[in-house]
Amino acid sequence: SQKIEQNSEALNIQEGKTATLTCNYTNYSPAYLQWYRQDPGRGPVFLLLIRENEKEKRKERLKVTFDTTLKQSLFHITASQPADSATYLCALPRDTGRRALTFGSGTRLQVQP
Amino acid sequence: EPEVTQTPSHQVTQMGQEVILRCVPISNHLYFYWYRQILGQKVEFLVSFYNNEISEKSEIFDDQFSVERPDGSNFTLKIRSTKLEDSAMYFCASSEVLAGYEQYFGPGTRLTVT
Repeated sequence: SQKIEQNSEALNIQEGKTATLTCNYTNYSPAYLQWYRQDPGRGPVFLLLIRENEKEKRKERLKVTFDTTLKQSLFHITASQPADSATYLCALPRDTGRRALTFGSGTRLQVQP
Repeated sequence: EPEVTQTPSHQVTQMGQEVILRCVPISNHLYFYWYRQILGQKVEFLVSFYNNEISEKSEIFDDQFSVERPDGSNFTLKIRSTKLEDSAMYFCASSEVLAGYEQYFGPGTRLTVT
């Protein structure tokens, strides 16, 4: 099964700066990788999916990269706002051809006004 | 915008009791999932369900757990004899069959076993 590592330390940045979060995985190379946002006491909210043949994906102020050689994804939030403060989760299929997800432990982002 | 709903939002039960957690997935979705999150820990997969049968389950999903789609809209998770370590937030999720692999999560049911 897949193992995922995300920075366990909280990331504190100033409003307006770019936040960059890292997701590293081991074992097999997944067909896609997903990023979710989770607020305290709430369910994860889907943000972006990037496939193995895509190097980069953008959605508004969000950008995700996927390096299958390094087994790493980077998640960027540009022009960050206090409302972006949350925990961001990286998720991959548990196994080849499977839909069920393995989640990382998440990185907590705190954007200071 | 369609969303996944879950009831109850909070369930308190005594050890050894049976609980049923309920979910209404998004109406045109055909893949359904249960995940749980113990306080302070990561989200963990329990079981997925497609075409009226379990398609995948984790090692956590033992004989104490079962899932059912009793009608065209509800999806339930039953824990037969709850243990203290079952205390967690339980999330239901659903996804489309063809369009994509992203999953849409409900707000969760907080289960407290005393």
